[in-house]
Amino acid sequence: NAGVTQTPKFQVLKTGQSMTLQCAQDMNHEYMSWYRQDPGMGLRLIHYSVGAGITDQGEVPNGYNVSRSTTEDFPLRLLSAAPSQTSVYFCASSYSQRETQYFGPGTRLLVL
Amino acid sequence: GDSVTQMEGPVTLSEEAFLTINCTYTATGYPSLFWYVQYPGEGLQLLLKATKADDKGSNKGFEATYRKETTSFHLEKGSVQVSDSAVYFCALRPGGSEKLVFGKGTKLTVNP
Repeated sequence: NAGVTQTPKFQVLKTGQSMTLQCAQDMNHEYMSWYRQDPGMGLRLIHYSVGAGITDQGEVPNGYNVSRSTTEDFPLRLLSAAPSQTSVYFCASSYSQRETQYFGPGTRLLVL
Repeated sequence: GDSVTQMEGPVTLSEEAFLTINCTYTATGYPSLFWYVQYPGEGLQLLLKATKADDKGSNKGFEATYRKETTSFHLEKGSVQVSDSAVYFCALRPGGSEKLVFGKGTKLTVNP
C-alpha cells in the first residue's frame, strides 16, 4: 500500500511550457484534490474530484486543468506555465468528502 | 467567508518546554476542526481532529479542544521533543462542505 504518490518531486519549467503533475492513490479513495502551498499562505485548494468523471474548481483554479478518468489517478495540467505558478503542489485523497484526507509528498515546481 | 487564523511563527523552544499554538476560526454553521503537521520534506499528516463543540482531539501527546464560545482550537503539548520540529497547520471543514480551509502554518523548532 503506497498511499498517495506524486511525480515528479521537482521540476523546472520555462514560462509558457506545459506539463502534467501526476497523482495516484491505491486506497480506492473516491475524493481527490490538489492544493498549492506558498510561503505565508498556507494551502489553497486548486481543483477537486468526488469520483471518476467528476471534477470541480477550488479556490485558485485559474491556469490549471484536471480530469479524473479512473479512481486511482488525478493529474494536474499546466497548459502554459507562468512564474506565479511557482509553488509546492500537494495531492490529497480520502474515502469520501468528509473523511480524513491523506496527502502525498508534494511536487516542487519552479517556473522561470 | 470561512477562515482560519493561527499564530505567526516561527516558534523556537527548548526540549521539554510547554507548547501552545493558537488557532481561531470564522465559519458559519458547525465546522470540523483539524491540526495537520508537516515534517521537513514531507507532505501533511493529520495530527488530530474534533468534529463538535467541546470535543478534545489528542495524538502523540498533542491536544486541542474545540471551543465554540471562543471559536478556538489551540494546540498544546506539555513537553516537546526535538522530533516535534515541523510546521503545524490548523484547518477547518465547513459544515456541509468537503473542502478544507487552512491557516498559514506555524513553524516550530525544538532545540536540544
